[in-house]
Amino acid sequence: QQQVKQSPQSLIVQKGGISIINCAYENTAFDYFPWYQQFPGKGPALLIAIRPDVSEKKEGRFTISFNKSAKQFSLHIMDSQPGDSATYFCAAVDNQFYFGTGTSLTVIP
Amino acid sequence: NAGVMQNPRHLVRRRGQEARLRCSPMKGHSHVYWYRQLPEEGLKFMVYLQKENIIDESGMPKERFSAEFPKEGPSILRIQQVVRGDSAAYFCASSTDRGSTGELFFGEGSRLTVL
Repeated sequence: QQQVKQSPQSLIVQKGGISIINCAYENTAFDYFPWYQQFPGKGPALLIAIRPDVSEKKEGRFTISFNKSAKQFSLHIMDSQPGDSATYFCAAVDNQFYFGTGTSLTVIP
Repeated sequence: NAGVMQNPRHLVRRRGQEARLRCSPMKGHSHVYWYRQLPEEGLKFMVYLQKENIIDESGMPKERFSAEFPKEGPSILRIQQVVRGDSAAYFCASSTDRGSTGELFFGEGSRLTVL
């Protein structure tokens, strides 16, 4: 059973546009929601993370929006750049990390 | 401070052989996780270990797969009698603590190809 549902599976965005990736969960015990970025041939690396006591966290061009009542959270990449092209994984954490299935983002110059 | 080190980075095995993947966690990290990633798929949890103990192996196939994290030395993921379906990237991750109290750091993965 997939603990975290992630969409879309793939995303193509023009340079300068906004990339939005969505995740949903059911288990209310989750208390930490990180996003990981993975480039081809590399391991995933932590990009940004949020805890459920806040509704938004922003770090540079990357923002997490968190809706506790809807059990949804999303990653927004503002002013998307070709260098942002990667696979993005959301995760929900209690005693263990549960990852979404990933979104392959391509930013077209 | 070196990151999570995995070796080999690439491994080719014939059907029926054994594959051993090694993972040295970051310094000071006593929690190790193994994940499998198939092409175009996400990260599938396999096993979670602390020093000398398997904490959760619910994601690991019951047969042919085993993992250990000895008191000294790296964590080992062992796949016996490999089959073509075992071809995947295997990622190790480590943390200082369990779950939401510890950030997860990943290695660069070991890519297993079974001929």
